[in-house]
Amino acid sequence: TQLLEQSPQFLSIQEGENLTVYCNSSSVFSSLQWYRQEPGEGPVLLVTVVTGGEVKKLKRLTFQFGDARKDSSLHITAAQPGDTGLYLCAGGTNAGKSTFGDGTTLTVKP
Amino acid sequence: DAGVIQSPRHEVTEMGQEVTLRCKPISGHDYLFWYRQTMMRGLELLIYFNNNVPIDDSGMPEDRFSAKMPNASFSTLKIQPSEPRDSAVYFCASSSRLAGVDTQYFGPGTRLTVL
Repeated sequence: TQLLEQSPQFLSIQEGENLTVYCNSSSVFSSLQWYRQEPGEGPVLLVTVVTGGEVKKLKRLTFQFGDARKDSSLHITAAQPGDTGLYLCAGGTNAGKSTFGDGTTLTVKP
Repeated sequence: DAGVIQSPRHEVTEMGQEVTLRCKPISGHDYLFWYRQTMMRGLELLIYFNNNVPIDDSGMPEDRFSAKMPNASFSTLKIQPSEPRDSAVYFCASSSRLAGVDTQYFGPGTRLTVL
């Protein structure tokens, strides 16, 4: 069974601070996705990374896929209240079934 | 383009009643997934289809749950009879082999409350 562990589980910071969320596994994935979910809504895809060592930037968000394709990180620079939400990582095997982490709940206080 | 559409958005029912959740995937997507999300267990995959055929239903809790996909644009998840422990948010998601099967697009979810 493939497992993805996310850390921290909860994170509460002030507006303007930087933060990093981690997603770790002992399994190798063909791709890794990051989603953000707001209350009352479904998860919304932020990014897909597929190559070991790959780094993708989305405005103030930086995503990295580990060299061995077992882990990933999400770094947010100068967090804003609009970044508040549940961040989920998911590991894919290109076979249809993805493994989701338990999520990191981020609260950014004004 | 329209995203994944789910209905109803909210459902309140009494224990023992039948519940049917509906999903319309993104046009052209050939994979469809049903998930359940709770605070205790997070996001759980219940079943997924490829080209309307169920591929893996190992996440379906028990025989009270059933899912169908009669065509490429419609799927249902049925619970009969419903129980209070089925209360959760149920999500449908779809993806495309061409665009990357692991990149899933989620619907807004159906919040089910069983009294």
